[in-house]
Amino acid sequence: EVQLVESGGGLVQPGGSLRLSCAASGFTFSTYSMTWVRQAPGKGLEWVANIKPDGSEKYYVDSVKGRFTISRDNAKNSLYLQLNSLRAEDTAVYYCARVSSSTSSYPYWGQGTLVTVSS
Amino acid sequence: DIVMTQTPLSSPVTLGQPASISCRSGQSLVHSDGNTYLSWLQQRPGQPPRLLIYKISNRFSGVPDRFSGSGAGTDFTLKIGRVEAEDVGVYYCMQGTQFPWTFGQGTKVEIK
Repeated sequence: EVQLVESGGGLVQPGGSLRLSCAASGFTFSTYSMTWVRQAPGKGLEWVANIKPDGSEKYYVDSVKGRFTISRDNAKNSLYLQLNSLRAEDTAVYYCARVSSSTSSYPYWGQGTLVTVSS
Repeated sequence: DIVMTQTPLSSPVTLGQPASISCRSGQSLVHSDGNTYLSWLQQRPGQPPRLLIYKISNRFSGVPDRFSGSGAGTDFTLKIGRVEAEDVGVYYCMQGTQFPWTFGQGTKVEIK
């Protein structure tokens, strides 16, 4: 069974940093692209970042470029998102999801971790 | 980026009756490989999104057959054959044809 479990969310002041983690199991992690999608309170879904299976290519939404860094450790079956210079508008539930390249969709999602940026 | 527009934004439905959601993309979703990468996701209250349909009309594993997708080019539809209580939530269309993949704004399905 595919499982994705996020952790690392919490309350942080504007300008602060957090590191989100996503532990994957039930599939061969090293062969799949992975993504982070976020959802602000009461709002819709927004793609944040993607990373290729070997970590060689990374992509970001413009609003987080230069502030967020996606990474992975295939030996640990883990995905990460480093969040720096956080702003109030980054407040959201952050989901990790597995990418299906053949169907260009997100068939598996974690439960999400809440990041709150507030003073 | 491709803009995805859903209508309606809210859909009150009677249990056992059908429901329909439309999704329109700002440009054709036909990929150069001939496929059209349009998906539908369901998000029940307090839950993460769940994939229902991929490539316009293919149901994902475990999705009941009362859910069906159709459409082509820029216009797509998700239909729920007979709405059940567990279908309450927000439904999103998503395009995977052009990077970055983008979502519609969501349609809230609630029981009358």
